[in-house]
Amino acid sequence: NAGVMQNPRHLVRRRGQEARLRCSPMKGHSHVYWYRQLPEEGLKFMVYLQKENIIDESGMPKERFSAEFPKEGPSILRIQQVVRGDSAAYFCASSPIRSGTLGANVLTFGAGSRLTVL
Amino acid sequence: AQKVTQAQTEISVVEKEDVTLDCVYETRDTTYYLFWYKQPPSGELVFLIRRNSFDEQNEISGRYSWNFQKSTSSFNFTITASQVVDSAVYFCAQLYTGGFKTIFGAGTRLFVKA
Repeated sequence: NAGVMQNPRHLVRRRGQEARLRCSPMKGHSHVYWYRQLPEEGLKFMVYLQKENIIDESGMPKERFSAEFPKEGPSILRIQQVVRGDSAAYFCASSPIRSGTLGANVLTFGAGSRLTVL
Repeated sequence: AQKVTQAQTEISVVEKEDVTLDCVYETRDTTYYLFWYKQPPSGELVFLIRRNSFDEQNEISGRYSWNFQKSTSSFNFTITASQVVDSAVYFCAQLYTGGFKTIFGAGTRLFVKA
């Protein structure tokens, strides 16, 4: 029973390149969350998705960042034209139901994808 | 607005000492959840506990215990007889029912020396 799978675990990009981070939620989970952890900082919410829908993207930078969770396949966090400030650990989490629901389950996190921009 | 404050940036203790990690939260909601997560040096996030706002009972799990006090908006975490393997960053977090975002504190880095 695999947990939340993220890949790649480590990604190095040069400034101006694109980064694609993938997240496969736990089996049976249809809700995916992306968080960013800058060096020596806590986790900041980026986006919440259900299958084929973006529910809340209030934490996403307005430019260069996008996320999707297609009907089939993993959720993708895409960063275009990366800059050094994008270097961070990006965590994906999943839950079987909307996490704000009374009695909701806990978010299960993946191991993270660490992006380094040279 | 929600906010979670972990005032202790780093704590260093010697093995077998007890240590308490502080967490203060802010919310206007009457129904919410509080969490603690552990991030060991390997980097993954490990869930430790969830508490809902209606349950102020303290909880003990082995060497871990949690003290939830609504009167002071605190949800503190105590490790008894700390061990080197407890060295990690610990995050306190909050989610209100009806919301989508689990809000994390900045984390407290715990060093346990042998």
